[in-house]
Amino acid sequence: GQNIDQPTEMTATEGAIVQINCTYQTSGFNGLFWYQQHAGEAPTFLSYNVLDGLEEKGRFSSFLSRSKGYSYLLLKELQMKDSASYLCAVDNYGQNFVFGPGTRLSVLP
Amino acid sequence: DSGVTQTPKHLITATGQRVTLRCSPRSGDLSVYWYQQSLDQGLQFLIQYYNGEERAKGNILERFSAQQFPDLHSELNLSSLELGDSALYFCASSARQGEANEKLFFGSGTQLSVL
Repeated sequence: GQNIDQPTEMTATEGAIVQINCTYQTSGFNGLFWYQQHAGEAPTFLSYNVLDGLEEKGRFSSFLSRSKGYSYLLLKELQMKDSASYLCAVDNYGQNFVFGPGTRLSVLP
Repeated sequence: DSGVTQTPKHLITATGQRVTLRCSPRSGDLSVYWYQQSLDQGLQFLIQYYNGEERAKGNILERFSAQQFPDLHSELNLSSLELGDSALYFCASSARQGEANEKLFFGSGTQLSVL
């Protein structure tokens, strides 16, 4: 089966750091992606992990542990514009991308 | 701009009707994916095409069908529409299939409202 879990909602303060977790169980694994989606808009690519470890990209970092089926997205120096849903997705060997339910992040002033 | 074009942006129709959603992938991309996103829900995978052939199928209803044409554009056909089909339908494309780091690029979506 295929299952991806994320917290439904999170709240953080402008300028703070927030960590969004993702756990997965999928029949295949060819990498894990994080996407950002503002309400009513298309998801946009944030980061990609295929090997264990941390990938850093400006204010955003993503971590992967394949043995634990676990990833997290770390957002630093939060800005109001970071209020959005964050989607964790597993590449199932190109046959399909399985998306998690998304975490709705609210950044408060 | 992702380079993926979806039309129309909005579609309002009645129950029992049939509609067609259109998607043009990024130039050079061979794979097209269709996703459904209901209000406050995650992205549900419907179907994938690669270079004109169906490659993977998700929880797509029998009332729904899709195809990818020789010019690589794709159409999603929804028939006998029900109220519950109201959702945002996304098309996404990627260059190849099965390669690592082949991220998806999403179109802006078609908002379908069934009244």
